[in-house]
Amino acid sequence: QSALTQPASVSGSPGQSITISCTGTSSDVGAYYYVSWYQQHPGKAPKLMIYEVTNRPSGVPDRFSGSKSGSTASLTISGLHAEDEADYYCTSYTTSSTVIFGGGTKLTVL
Amino acid sequence: EVQLLESGGGLVQPGGSLRLSCAASGFTFSHYAMSWVRQAPGKGLEWVSAFSGSTSAGGGGPHYADSVKGRFTISRDNSNNTLFLQMNSLRAEDTAVYYCAKVPYGYNYYFDYWGLGTLVTVSS
Repeated sequence: QSALTQPASVSGSPGQSITISCTGTSSDVGAYYYVSWYQQHPGKAPKLMIYEVTNRPSGVPDRFSGSKSGSTASLTISGLHAEDEADYYCTSYTTSSTVIFGGGTKLTVL
Repeated sequence: EVQLLESGGGLVQPGGSLRLSCAASGFTFSHYAMSWVRQAPGKGLEWVSAFSGSTSAGGGGPHYADSVKGRFTISRDNSNNTLFLQMNSLRAEDTAVYYCAKVPYGYNYYFDYWGLGTLVTVSS
């Protein structure tokens, strides 16, 4: 199964908003609301930022938000901070009871 | 506090075997599904395998990524709060940091806690 499709890189200036897309199929993103997003800083373990498309775990700033339309999910970061610079990965549960990750997006805060 | 600590990584020759462990604490381990996720050097995350917990709804399992099916076996020892990954017939492309991750409910829906990872290097 191929990875979910994410842009390789996005960038924005502090205070701006950016959106990262994550495109799958009717067997994963389009099938369930089990889309999640992870932030990974270099040399660190991934951190859950969004789960079940729109929900934020405790401690994640509300400038992180998620959405989904059909087989495409999106992560929006409003009001970029320098510390948001990291790699971001989307994932989805699949109809085969497996998990599929996106290829990852490198966010650069200019 | 939830903690996941992987161990067992190292250098192994192609065709060799390795057994990874993930020691869990801070939660009732037996209740929750667990997964292994890996990351090759400079590459993205790849889900490897999952094992259901006693309260996992649906899903069945265990399940494996196609890239490791038939070579890797996931198991768990609930009495010792430990998750395992037996890796056989290792290939160069299995070189990666291997993370164990906890599923907060259900089966494979998403991962709320991750370990720090253990590095597996397959090379002659």
